Amino acid sequence: DAKTTQPTSMDCAEGRAANLPCNHSTISGNEYVYWYRQIHSQGPQYIIHGLKNNETNEMASLIITEDRKSSTLILPHATLRDTAVYYCIVRDTGANSKLTFGKGITLSVRP
Amino acid sequence: DAGITQSPRYKITETGRQVTLMCHQTWSHSYMFWYRQDLGHGLRLIYYSAAADITDKGEVPDGYVVSRSKTENFPLTLESATRSQTSVYFCASSGQEIYGYTFGSGTRLTVV
Repeated sequence: DAKTTQPTSMDCAEGRAANLPCNHSTISGNEYVYWYRQIHSQGPQYIIHGLKNNETNEMASLIITEDRKSSTLILPHATLRDTAVYYCIVRDTGANSKLTFGKGITLSVRP
Repeated sequence: DAGITQSPRYKITETGRQVTLMCHQTWSHSYMFWYRQDLGHGLRLIYYSAAADITDKGEVPDGYVVSRSKTENFPLTLESATRSQTSVYFCASSGQEIYGYTFGSGTRLTVV
């Protein structure tokens, strides 16, 4: 799996959009970008994934640059419950492909 | 209830004892995974399974054994527990390769 780089931490104000960046400059053509988050002491939670088009679901939006070397996860209206570690992961969908977690980015939402 | 459940939630065991952590999912997902999470190491894959009776090693398999006789169950056994296996263990499942994983709530294991 290609490696990703994320800032160590960031914060945002409650009610504002949280934009979490991720660099994956060595991503290959068949690799998807996945985002998970882990709220303290809980299991990781799937948020969203995409290949090259932007994606949106009820939790977040994923913006992938045209060259696919970076992406941004957007939480449109952050709440205190969005405080968590967010993991950006790239993986292909081959038979032996698994999720490999890095250190992620700690998002703190302040009141 | 539908979902993925892990048991026990907490376990304390002694060094050298065998202990089995259970994982059960109700979706008939093909893929199942075991991860451990330690401070400073993040989440690391121990073993995974693509289907019943098919298992393979992950990044840190030493000291662990898995089996998958039924699609819905994927137990993880520590044959002779060591203090270094003190960790939080997460089980996950996935229906297809492209889909996201769904994780259980974890088992916090302490080996004394």
